Amino acid sequence: DAGVTQSPTHLIKTRGQHVTLRCSPISGHKSVSWYQQVLGQGPQFIFQYYEKEERGRGNFPDRFSARQFPNYSSELNVNALLLGDSALYLCASSLPHTDTQYFGPGTRLTVL
Amino acid sequence: QQQVKQSPQSLIVQKGGISIINCAYENTAFDYFPWYQQFPGKGPALLIAIRPDVSEKKEGRFTISFNKSAKQFSLHIMDSQPGDSATYFCAASKETSGSRLTFGEGTQLTVNP
Repeated sequence: DAGVTQSPTHLIKTRGQHVTLRCSPISGHKSVSWYQQVLGQGPQFIFQYYEKEERGRGNFPDRFSARQFPNYSSELNVNALLLGDSALYLCASSLPHTDTQYFGPGTRLTVL
Repeated sequence: QQQVKQSPQSLIVQKGGISIINCAYENTAFDYFPWYQQFPGKGPALLIAIRPDVSEKKEGRFTISFNKSAKQFSLHIMDSQPGDSATYFCAASKETSGSRLTFGEGTQLTVNP
């Protein structure tokens, strides 16, 4: 069975640019969550989407946005990149009304 | 505000020994407590999870001990192996927040042969 997939694997951007990260959940999973993991720290919750609607938002600026598509895949968008946005961005999917989340391998974003 | 505090930051044990990682939480509304294992360059993988209605859960070499009154829970890895060397994260969530996880800072475990 395919797990959560994310693309791209690595990305290098410069300050002020925009980035789009993509996530495909496990088949049958309708909930997708995004996390930011700065090196040496635990993941921090950014967004949760369920049935294409935002169900939760963490303490991140409006430069961060996301959406979920009819096939339950998701995109995370970050505008006006800052050096501090350099991190591993993780996507997790879960079945409806369950707690267990399954994480993808992440996208490593470097902002220069 | 850090709602889940994890210790130690790093841990070195010998092969065959017991690894113990501790976490403390503040929010009494939390009702789901998973532990994740993360290898370099990979996403976190769920190891084992517990709910507050039980004090202990064991799966193979991994055991969670939960103390609701102290608001603490711990991961015990029995017969630690070099392949267990990874970063371990505790986390917590509450039903009313959906699947939003609050993670601890992580413990880097090294198991020497």
